[in-house]
Amino acid sequence: EDQVTQSPEALRLQEGESSSLNCSYTVSGLRGLFWYRQDPGKGPEFLFTLYSAGEEKEKERLKATLTKKESFLHITAPKPEDSATYLCAVQAYGQFYFGTGTSLTVIP
Amino acid sequence: NAGVTQTPKFRILKIGQSMTLQCTQDMNHNYMYWYRQDPGMGLKLIYYSVGAGITDKGEVPNGYNVSRSTTEDFPLRLELAAPSQTSVYFCASSYSPFTEAFFGQGTRLTVV
Repeated sequence: EDQVTQSPEALRLQEGESSSLNCSYTVSGLRGLFWYRQDPGKGPEFLFTLYSAGEEKEKERLKATLTKKESFLHITAPKPEDSATYLCAVQAYGQFYFGTGTSLTVIP
Repeated sequence: NAGVTQTPKFRILKIGQSMTLQCTQDMNHNYMYWYRQDPGMGLKLIYYSVGAGITDKGEVPNGYNVSRSTTEDFPLRLELAAPSQTSVYFCASSYSPFTEAFFGQGTRLTVV
């Protein structure tokens, strides 16, 4: 069965404490891997798309990387405003398959 | 630029009632999607559309219906609401199946 698994489920960081979120997938026929940020009571907001192994994308304190079977979202020196749920989605067979997300809390 | 707009934001239904969740987008996207999000379960695809007049089932279509008469609008119909349909519903659109999707703000539905 095609699956997208995110870990950890929840992560608490001190402000400035860097870390990484993981997204592993077993979906075959990958056409793209997407990272989204979701704030409470809001819809997911697009962050990055990665299409091939070895690709990297950066935006402010966030950096996304992709290998053949997983992706990492690296957060460098996070701030409290980075607190949110981060969702990973894999695009295959014309559809998006979403993971359950990592809830990140950054403590001042 | 409004993006994807969903109405209503909140709704309480009684068991057996019906309702339509509205979704409209102003980005001229051909692809539109309806998802439901339950705690700890991630986003599950209900229905999707690749253009006006064309719709198809996603992973969890039972109990729902859709139509796509225009590029802009993609309403989701719930017939005979059941407690299992209590969820947060998101509409999304994308330029192609290989590009990012833009999401609405969601509709929180409770069936009692």
